[in-house]
Amino acid sequence: EIQLQESGPGLVKPSQSLSLTCSVTGYTITSGYDWSWIRKFPGNKMEWMGYISNSGSTNYNPSLKIRISITRDTSKNQFFLQLNSVTTEDTATYYCARYTLYYSSYYFDYWGQGVMVTVSS
Amino acid sequence: NTVMTQSPTSMFISVGDRVTMNCKASQNVGTNVDWYQQKTGQSPKLLIYGASNRYTGVPDRFTGSGSGTDFTLTISNMQAEDLAVYYCLQYNYNPWTFGGGTKLELK
Repeated sequence: EIQLQESGPGLVKPSQSLSLTCSVTGYTITSGYDWSWIRKFPGNKMEWMGYISNSGSTNYNPSLKIRISITRDTSKNQFFLQLNSVTTEDTATYYCARYTLYYSSYYFDYWGQGVMVTVSS
Repeated sequence: NTVMTQSPTSMFISVGDRVTMNCKASQNVGTNVDWYQQKTGQSPKLLIYGASNRYTGVPDRFTGSGSGTDFTLTISNMQAEDLAVYYCLQYNYNPWTFGGGTKLELK
């Protein structure tokens, strides 16, 4: 069974960097698919942040492009989110998810349980 | 960015109701739309992909339809377990964008 699990600090100070880990079990992230970060703000708004492909290439939401970095450690089957210069507006629940291409359709079929991150001094 | 506008933002429903919610794209996205269900305290779950294809294991009371700019998710016989927030997502244009959600609540 494929499982994704986010981990990282629940509290980050403004202007610092937010760093999260997504640990994947049941599937090797270099074997296929793209591996994404998505966040849900208080009040229900959701935002796709970016992904790292199975080959290691990345694609970021342009609204975050100067602040975001998604990397991976293939030996640990993990991928990471780093978001720099955070403000209180980055307070959200952060999810990692697998992005699948099925014929001509795309979808997020496996999700982590989410980790809540608060940006506050 | 492609804006996905969902309506209504909330609905008060009864078990057994037929429920219809809408998602309107700010530009033509073809059939490149998914629908997700998120229950309180859980991560989102895929219901519909490619506008009208039911994902594996999703009950057939969930139906997606539409193309271009207008999309609909219908629950034909509402069950208590369907209480959740429902989101549409377009993946035709980068960045992929979600609608604001439709929350189903009991009357």
